[in-house]
Amino acid sequence: QVQLVESGGGLVKPGGSLRLSCVASGFIFSDYYMNWIRQVPGKGLEWVSYISSSGSFTNYADSVKGRFTISRDNAKNSLYLAMNSLRAEDTAVYYCAANRVTHDAFDIWGLGTMVTVSS
Amino acid sequence: QSVLTQPPSASGTPGQRVTISCSGSSSNIGSNTVNWYQQFPETAPKLLIDSNNQRPSGVPDRFSGSKSGTSASLAISGLQSEDEADYYCAAWDDSLNGWVFGGGTKLTVL
Repeated sequence: QVQLVESGGGLVKPGGSLRLSCVASGFIFSDYYMNWIRQVPGKGLEWVSYISSSGSFTNYADSVKGRFTISRDNAKNSLYLAMNSLRAEDTAVYYCAANRVTHDAFDIWGLGTMVTVSS
Repeated sequence: QSVLTQPPSASGTPGQRVTISCSGSSSNIGSNTVNWYQQFPETAPKLLIDSNNQRPSGVPDRFSGSKSGTSASLAISGLQSEDEADYYCAAWDDSLNGWVFGGGTKLTVL
C-alpha cells in the first residue's frame, strides 16, 4: 500500500548533526515533490523544506536555512534531511509528506520520527 | 506565531454544525488554494479538504471547505464523536516560497 516511513530520529546534543531518511513505497516516488514538515509535541505544524520530483529545486523555511539540507535518491525511493548545528528549538516530530507539484496538497504522509536536541 | 490564524478551539454537540475559520493574507490564501488536515492524537495528519473545497476519496461529505478573499472556512455538519481531533489549514505563500500553516483548532464534541 501507499506508504512513507521515516527513520533516523533520536537524541542529539545542541550543535550536533543528524540525518533523517524517508522511504516510499506503493506509489511512483519520482513523480512526486517531497517535503519535510515538523511538529513540536502539543504544538502546530511547521513546513521545513521541499524538493522537486527530479531534485533540481529545493527551498527551506527561514528557521532552518543554512543548517538543513534536503536531498532525494529516486533510484532508492528515498528522501533525506541532513540537519546540522541543531538547536533545542529543532526538537520536534519530523514528517515526510508527498505532493504532486509544489502548490498541491500533501496527500501522503509518513508516521514521523522524533528528534530531540538536548544536552 | 503561525502565519495563518485559526481559533485555538471549537466545540459542538453531536448532530450540530460547526465551522472553523482560517485567516491569511494576499500572499497566501489570497492567491493560492487552501487545504485542510485532520490530526488525531499521536498520529500523522491526514488530508481532509484539497483545493479549497475538494474532498479526497473516503472523506465524508459532512466535511466541506470554502474560501473568500484572504479567509477560508472548514464546516463540519452532523457532528460525530469521532470528529474530535485537531484541524489545520495550510496554503502556499508566494512571498516565502513555501508552505504556511494555521496554528490548529482543537475540536471537542460535547
